[in-house]
Amino acid sequence: DIQMTQSPSSLSASVGDRVTITCRASQSISSYLNWYQQKPGKAPKLLIYAASSLQSGVPSRFSGSGSGTDFTLTISSLQPEDFATYYCQQSYSTLSITFGQGTRLEIK
Amino acid sequence: QVQLQESGPGLVKPSQTLSLTCTVSGGSISSGSYYWSWIRQPAGKGLEWIGRIYTSGSTNYNPSLKSRVTISVDTSKNQFSLKLSSVTAADTAVYYCARDLGPYDWFDPWGQGTLVTVSS
Repeated sequence: DIQMTQSPSSLSASVGDRVTITCRASQSISSYLNWYQQKPGKAPKLLIYAASSLQSGVPSRFSGSGSGTDFTLTISSLQPEDFATYYCQQSYSTLSITFGQGTRLEIK
Repeated sequence: QVQLQESGPGLVKPSQTLSLTCTVSGGSISSGSYYWSWIRQPAGKGLEWIGRIYTSGSTNYNPSLKSRVTISVDTSKNQFSLKLSSVTAADTAVYYCARDLGPYDWFDPWGQGTLVTVSS
């Protein structure tokens, strides 16, 4: 299996901050990387697909970058509704799709 | 727009088989080049992909669960289903169904999720 490691595991930030979450793959996955946001008691919501493409309806303060093994999700100016848990997901190996362990973004 | 809804028993006894169904509305399960996936999440933990099915019936399963998982599709009912055999307490989780879109296999949309507890 391709292992996905996110850092940090948790993060405290304030409204208006710029935040970056990192996802590292155990081997090269090209751009086969997607990002999700999950709020308590809700299903995950797709934010970014193919490493850097913004899903329709997602605010432009969210952006993704990277290729190969290292990827980042950036929120340019945190809003109150952005406090949630974020997951990356690789789809390079479709015989075993895997997720990162999650990054919990909390209010400072 | 397409919506997904999971259904099935919320309580399953150890060693028995967990069975869930995902009903797709707002579009045909057969239209487009989509896979349909099951994903689970134990309380307070991360997401685990269980497996997926194409409308032709072709399947892929997580190697760690492959020996216990069967995913099937019923295009006449616009549904796909999950069976997980020989369950233990470790299989207690919220189970989600989701549409799997290629070529980068992202999941969108998701069902709301259903909690399945394995307990005697």
